[in-house]
Amino acid sequence: QQQVKQSPQSLIVQKGGISIINCAYENTAFDYFPWYQQFPGKGPALLIAIRPDVSEKKEGRFTISFNKSAKQFSLHIMDSQPGDSATYFCAFITQGGSEKLVFGKGTKLTVNP
Amino acid sequence: GAVVSQHPSRVICKSGTSVKIECRSLDFQATTMFWYRQFPKQSLMLMATSNEGSKATYEQGVEKDKFLINHASLTLSTLTVTSAHPEDSSFYICSAREGRGYTFGSGTRLTVV
Repeated sequence: QQQVKQSPQSLIVQKGGISIINCAYENTAFDYFPWYQQFPGKGPALLIAIRPDVSEKKEGRFTISFNKSAKQFSLHIMDSQPGDSATYFCAFITQGGSEKLVFGKGTKLTVNP
Repeated sequence: GAVVSQHPSRVICKSGTSVKIECRSLDFQATTMFWYRQFPKQSLMLMATSNEGSKATYEQGVEKDKFLINHASLTLSTLTVTSAHPEDSSFYICSAREGRGYTFGSGTRLTVV
């Protein structure tokens, strides 16, 4: 049962453009929403995370927007660069019992020079 | 920041043999570590939660006798793929939790021939 739906599956953006990746979740008990970046052949690395008590968090060119009523959160990459080309995963931490980090299906971002 | 070291990065083994993968937290103690499996162009799928000093908790559908997990110290967890077969070929990634943060190793590419 997929608890987070991530879209799009792939995204191609020109250098300098804005990349937008969306995630919709079902379980209202989630209280921590991280985004991970993964380059080919490497493990994922935490990019940015948000808690539901804020609607937006910005770190450099990366911004998370959170819409609690719509149960959606999105990642915006401003001024996208070829070095941003990677796969991005939204994730959530399960509640109840043992805590686990579960990933969305991922979005492969390609930034063309 | 927290660093997780995973070894080896690549391994090729013959069908029927066993392979051990190590995951170490270098600058923090991790009572809980996680093992993920990732097929090409897919997301990370949680295989099991490794708890220091106790038995691992396996996700549904993961064969505990095939994927042996040992978490003998606060900085080391190992995953042993027993009697490996070509279908076990995949990218295996470990993660260690420190507080609310999850740090990932760089992954192990296992190829069974």
